[in-house]
Amino acid sequence: AQSVTQLGSHVSVSEGALVLLRCNYSSSVPPYLFWYVQYPNQGLQLLLKYTTGATLVKGINGFEAEFKKSETSFHLTKPSAHMSDAAEYFCAVSSDRGSTLGRLYFGRGTQLTVWP
Amino acid sequence: DADVTQTPRNRITKTGKRIMLECSQTKGHDRMYWYRQDPGLGLRLIYYSFDVKDINKGEISDGYSVSRQAQAKFSLSLESAIPNQTALYFCATSAGQGNIQYFGAGTRLSVL
Repeated sequence: AQSVTQLGSHVSVSEGALVLLRCNYSSSVPPYLFWYVQYPNQGLQLLLKYTTGATLVKGINGFEAEFKKSETSFHLTKPSAHMSDAAEYFCAVSSDRGSTLGRLYFGRGTQLTVWP
Repeated sequence: DADVTQTPRNRITKTGKRIMLECSQTKGHDRMYWYRQDPGLGLRLIYYSFDVKDINKGEISDGYSVSRQAQAKFSLSLESAIPNQTALYFCATSAGQGNIQYFGAGTRLSVL
């Protein structure tokens, strides 16, 4: 079985401050991990993904995430927030084997607010 | 033009009505998915299809049905709509490798 927990349904930061959105996952097989962003009235857009290889993954718009197997975490960070980063962010887990093949399991989302 | 197109973008209907949401894609992907999004609950999988002859139930399929008319088209039906089916519905596609999914812009459905 696979599941995702996002800690904090709402996160607020000042423009220029560090952004940290937390994600912990549960998976009985090696996971694929994703962060998606949803801007108002839009669909979900892929920010970054981890499948295999390097555990520090860089995505679009200056975001990055680090896969930590020992902590079952995949936290999303950005060194300096911009007003345009205000959106809802979803962490998701998947795998390429077993009964969950091809399925994405989403966390409940974290709404990021950026103050000027 | 969008790679994954959902129609309609907004729909208001009454309890008991049959309604169909449509999804088409130009990405050439074999896998297609229907999700619903509710505030605070994230996205939940309704149905998914790995090819035209393969349809699978997701976590919350009760009250919904689907049709994969062609590789590029995947429709979601609510046979008899009820108010708690009021939600934002998303279609997604995937080529399989890496399980990256690409989403449509969504259909906002209100059932009165």
